[in-house]
Amino acid sequence: DADVTQTPRNRITKTGKRIMLECSQTKGHDRMYWYRQDPGLGLRLIYYSFDVKDINKGEISDGYSVSRQAQAKFSLSLESAIPNQTALYFCATSVAWDSQETQYFGPGTRLLVL
Amino acid sequence: QKEVEQDPGPLSVPEGAIVSLNCTYSNSAFQYFMWYRQYSRKGPELLMYTYSSGNKEDGRFTAQVDKSSKYISLFIRDSQPSDSATYLCAKGETGAGSYQLTFGKGTKLSVIP
Repeated sequence: DADVTQTPRNRITKTGKRIMLECSQTKGHDRMYWYRQDPGLGLRLIYYSFDVKDINKGEISDGYSVSRQAQAKFSLSLESAIPNQTALYFCATSVAWDSQETQYFGPGTRLLVL
Repeated sequence: QKEVEQDPGPLSVPEGAIVSLNCTYSNSAFQYFMWYRQYSRKGPELLMYTYSSGNKEDGRFTAQVDKSSKYISLFIRDSQPSDSATYLCAKGETGAGSYQLTFGKGTKLSVIP
């Protein structure tokens, strides 16, 4: 089984709809992240969480919200989806020891907002 | 100016060639560097990690960091068709409770048999 799973893998929705992307991990990592990837723009950080009670905004948090339901679960919500939120979304996890921090990515969710 | 600049390519090479992928970055107090590989329709996976100047080797892959010129490179020797992927460089900074990991845009590599 994959260590970091994302559901759904693909989603088509309409402008104005609320949607939730879910991420689960079995790696036992404290830190979890949500990124979006767009052609020509690379990976950009939306939100990150260092533990269940810690939520931080990333580079592009506007229009998104997150929930860290448990150590293993981190959800991303689009309250009112808009077309420019069409992108590939990745969840990632990490554990920091010493000064090293390796991130492990899920398979991605491809989102299309019409 | 984006903190990590990477030529998006695409880059196409014949099988067996030596590949050189490069990134430049802006300065920061403490930093470490990574190369991630991303196959089509997959999430990125860590390929190489370093936080010092100089070279680090792992099989056919060599990561090089030149902090004086703020330049990071990934060399692939004896390239194979299975190396065809997008390669992302990343710069990380951590400090007292803070965090920042910045990715380049990625370079798409095709190795032609």
